Amino acid sequence: DAGVTQSPTHLIKTRGQQVTLRCSPKSGHDTVSWYQQALGQGPQFIFQYYEEEERQRGNFPDRFSGHQFPNYSSELNVNALLLGDSALYLCASSLGAGTTKNIQYFGAGTRLSVL
Amino acid sequence: AQSVSQHNHHVILSEAASLELGCNYSYGGTVNLFWYVQYPGQHLQLLLKYFSGDPLVKGIKGFEAEFIKSKFSFNLRKPSVQWSDTAEYFCAVISGYSSASKIIFGSGTRLSIRP
Repeated sequence: DAGVTQSPTHLIKTRGQQVTLRCSPKSGHDTVSWYQQALGQGPQFIFQYYEEEERQRGNFPDRFSGHQFPNYSSELNVNALLLGDSALYLCASSLGAGTTKNIQYFGAGTRLSVL
Repeated sequence: AQSVSQHNHHVILSEAASLELGCNYSYGGTVNLFWYVQYPGQHLQLLLKYFSGDPLVKGIKGFEAEFIKSKFSFNLRKPSVQWSDTAEYFCAVISGYSSASKIIFGSGTRLSIRP
């Protein structure tokens, strides 16, 4: 039973570029959430996707966008990269949005470095 | 706004010492509470959770946490730590509203165990 998988593992970009990160949820899960974890900080919620729609959004600018595909996998896109976007990006999957009792399972993350 | 506070940023203990990591949250309604652990080089893993019922919850690897509603606290404890407990520990909360299933994380506590 595959857990949450993210790709790529590491990524180096320069300011102003665009980046796409990918996530495959745990088998049987239909909801994907994305988090940004800066060095020395806890993960911060970016947004959540369920039924191919963005259901919730954290305090992140429109440069951060996402998509969920019919097979429940998801992408996180960041445009016009800033140095401050350097962080570990975590994907978490769960079963069913709109419930506070769903357990979120995390992937290993994508380490993004913006130079 | 919801927030989670972990006042201990770095805790250093010797093996067999007892552990207590503090966690306080700021939300007056129904909450669901979690502790996640991130071992070096590994992904975030759920240590334990509280939804309702007995305020003393037991998790994996001998960890437990006590929910004290009057103190808005959910402290993590372990009677005797091992070197393998070296990791980053995150307290997290989800508010009780069904549409708000995003997790709010604390900034984490780094635990170092001296062999």
